[in-house]
Amino acid sequence: EVQLLESGGGLVQPGGSLRLSCAASGFTFSSYAMSWVRQAPGKGLEWVSGISGSGGSTNYADSVKGRFTISRDNSGNTLYLQLNTLRAEDTAVYYCAKDKRGGNGDYVFDSWGQGTLVTVSS
Amino acid sequence: DIQMTQSPSSLSASVGDRVTITCRASQSISRNLNWYQQKPGRGPKLLIYVASSLQSGVPSRFSGSGSGTDFTLTISSLQPEDFATYYCQQSYSTPRTFGQGTKVEIK
Repeated sequence: EVQLLESGGGLVQPGGSLRLSCAASGFTFSSYAMSWVRQAPGKGLEWVSGISGSGGSTNYADSVKGRFTISRDNSGNTLYLQLNTLRAEDTAVYYCAKDKRGGNGDYVFDSWGQGTLVTVSS
Repeated sequence: DIQMTQSPSSLSASVGDRVTITCRASQSISRNLNWYQQKPGRGPKLLIYVASSLQSGVPSRFSGSGSGTDFTLTISSLQPEDFATYYCQQSYSTPRTFGQGTKVEIK
């Protein structure tokens, strides 16, 4: 059974940083692209960033480009999202999501974690 | 960016009703359209991918159709566990955008 467990969220001041983690199990982690998707309180879903199975290819939403960095540790089956220069509008639940297809993926998300809440406030 | 527009934003329906949700893309996305169900406090669940393929384990009362810019999710006979919010998502180009959601409530 695929399991994705996010951690690292919390309260941070504007301009601050956080590192989110997503521990994966139940599948061959290195074979699948992964993404981060966020959801502001009471709002819809917003794709944030994606990374290929090898880690060699990454992409970002314009709203986070230059501030967030996605990475992965395939030996430890963990996905990361480094959040820098945080803004109030980054407040959201952050989900990690597994791609249905292997390799570079096609951004169809067949498994999701339960999410971790990031609150940016002074 | 490709904009995804769902309608309606919310609807009220009864158990046993047939429910249809539409999703329109701002440009052609071929059949690269996926549907998710989300319940409060939980991550989304994939229902339909590439417009009409049923994800493993999803009940057959869910179906999808469409291509190009116009897509539909249909629930043939609404069950109590189907009350949730539904999102479409295009997987045609980056950024992979979602619709704003359709909340299905109990009438």
